[in-house]
Amino acid sequence: TQLLEQSPQFLSIQEGENLTVYCNSSSVFSSLQWYRQEPGEGPVLLVTVVTGGEVKKLKRLTFQFGDARKDSSLHITAAQPGDTGLYLCAKVSGTYKYIFGTGTRLKVLA
Amino acid sequence: DVKVTQSSRYLVKRTGEKVFLECVQDMDHENMFWYRQDPGLGLRLIYFSYDVKMKEKGDIPEGYSVSREKKERFSLILESASTNQTSMYLCASIRDGDQETQYFGPGTRLLVL
Repeated sequence: TQLLEQSPQFLSIQEGENLTVYCNSSSVFSSLQWYRQEPGEGPVLLVTVVTGGEVKKLKRLTFQFGDARKDSSLHITAAQPGDTGLYLCAKVSGTYKYIFGTGTRLKVLA
Repeated sequence: DVKVTQSSRYLVKRTGEKVFLECVQDMDHENMFWYRQDPGLGLRLIYFSYDVKMKEKGDIPEGYSVSREKKERFSLILESASTNQTSMYLCASIRDGDQETQYFGPGTRLLVL
């Protein structure tokens, strides 16, 4: 099964720092989603990007879709402990079929 | 708010036991999914169902079966649990025509001894 590669795999930072998480594939995405999964919970959809070069903002989170639609990034400004969780990217691969990334586990220390 | 609930948060079973994982959604969604989540492997689709009594195999169906007798309920069955089925199991649902918004349950962490 094809997986999306995410980097870094783990990230531990201090409150207030900025960070970027990456999601890469060898093939083109039709659309890409980002999820956050908090400990003990299921993933929750944050955003869907569909157009190459698209940038979406959700408060302190900025999502970018690469021009060639093979990669995406998530940038968090001034991280807070509430941002702690597992960040997953997923590409839509056919009707109701999703291929998920390997995940980035983020811990923000107060 | 859409709610997807799973019958157990944690389960401990012995090798060879038959295991039932239940999932219920309250938003009348047509499509329901079972995934397993393992570190470094993301979420992998086991089975999905697009209607009552209808199912399709996902990427890793071996060792699993499913049942969907009612629209709101989707069950995952491990006929004879094995230690390599120790994992986090996540259920999800999505409305027909909405390709974007999958709603996930909180997960069941299964340990097979």
